[in-house]
Amino acid sequence: DTGVSQDPRHKITKRGQNVTFRCDPISEHNRLYWYRQTLGQGPEFLTYFQNEAQLEKSRLLSDRFSAERPKGSFSTLEIQRTEQGDSAMYLCATRPGAHVYNEQFFGPGTRLTVL
Amino acid sequence: SQQGEEDPQALSIQEGENATMNCSYKTSINNLQWYRQNSGRGLVHLILIRSNEREKHSGRLRVTLDTSKKSSSLLITASRAADTASYFCATDDRGSTLGRLYFGRGTQLTVWP
Repeated sequence: DTGVSQDPRHKITKRGQNVTFRCDPISEHNRLYWYRQTLGQGPEFLTYFQNEAQLEKSRLLSDRFSAERPKGSFSTLEIQRTEQGDSAMYLCATRPGAHVYNEQFFGPGTRLTVL
Repeated sequence: SQQGEEDPQALSIQEGENATMNCSYKTSINNLQWYRQNSGRGLVHLILIRSNEREKHSGRLRVTLDTSKKSSSLLITASRAADTASYFCATDDRGSTLGRLYFGRGTQLTVWP
């Protein structure tokens, strides 16, 4: 257990439905990242928050995706009008401070299956 | 793309043997990290090596970094069946302080008892 929690751990939904995932970081970590991992691949970066500010978004984050981090604490990732191609593991990672040598701590992930 | 690439894609060994995995990347980095992932689970951080370091040890793990060749290796000594997992290297971007990581496809290690 890294101290980063994600909820739910598994989500099965029908195509076209909206889903929302939550990430709770380690409390003193002000930097939070979302990644997506498909079968047989490594994680791919989606978006990054420093405190409550969303500072970077990948081109993978289409307009159906939105992420928030109100008050710089937990974060949510919402996918609207899900498609089968959205099926993946969604991973949250956090790290403390600004030092470039800080490691990232990953949560257990939310596995999304879109039927 | 700065995505790292691990080699080999799959490695199968007997308990007690050593396992060596390699990683190559494309651009300048601040640090390189190795992660482990058991099937369907999250990533567990193993070790971080800074760009000004050449070798680092942690228990049965030994990591090397050659920035001139843009490559790293992870050695697991005296492997155990419990080491069976996927191993990923992750690099950052020296030109950025945001810290996003770039991962390869990983090496799937199977250790047979």
